[in-house]
Amino acid sequence: EVQLVESGGGLVQPGGSLRLSCAASGFSFSSYAMNWVRQAPGKGLEWVSAISGSGGSTYYADSVKGRFTISRDNSKNTLFLQMNSLRDEDTAVYYCAKRTTANNGPYYYYYMDVWGKGTTVTVSS
Amino acid sequence: DIQMTQSPSSLSASVGDRVTITCRASQSISNYLNWYQQRPGKAPELLIYAASSLQSGVPSRFSGSGSGTDFTLTISSLQPEDFATYYCQQSYSDPYTFGQGTKLEIK
Repeated sequence: EVQLVESGGGLVQPGGSLRLSCAASGFSFSSYAMNWVRQAPGKGLEWVSAISGSGGSTYYADSVKGRFTISRDNSKNTLFLQMNSLRDEDTAVYYCAKRTTANNGPYYYYYMDVWGKGTTVTVSS
Repeated sequence: DIQMTQSPSSLSASVGDRVTITCRASQSISNYLNWYQQRPGKAPELLIYAASSLQSGVPSRFSGSGSGTDFTLTISSLQPEDFATYYCQQSYSDPYTFGQGTKLEIK
């Protein structure tokens, strides 16, 4: 069974740090790009960060650039999100999601087909 | 960044109704458009990718259409488990932005 399980969430003070993990199973982890997506309480989905299968390419939303770092350990089938200088507005459920690519001739379509259940991060003094 | 705007933001409907949700992109995204369903307290689930391709395991009452800037998600006959929030997402260019969501409620 393809599965993603997040961990590492919790309560942290503004300016603090937290490291999220996402354990993957049931698929060839290193073959897939991975994403972090968050959802603030009562709000919609916000894409946060992505990393290529090899880990050589990373991408960030402007709202977290310079504060968050995405990484992965393919030997342990685990995705990470290091979050520094946390702000109140970073309070959210953080989901990891597997990105799959479908191609139709020269066209490549990207979508997130497997999601974890999420881990809650609360930034508050 | 490409802005995605969904309408309506909320919608009341009854079991058996046909429902359409619209998603508009701030610039042309060809057919690089995904739809997700999120039930309360649960993670999102992929419904449709590439604007009209149904994800494996998703009931055929869900369908998607559109290209360029205007897209629709249609549920042909609402079932009780379909009452949820629906999000569109563009995968044309980074960052892969989401719409604000459409909450589908029971009338």
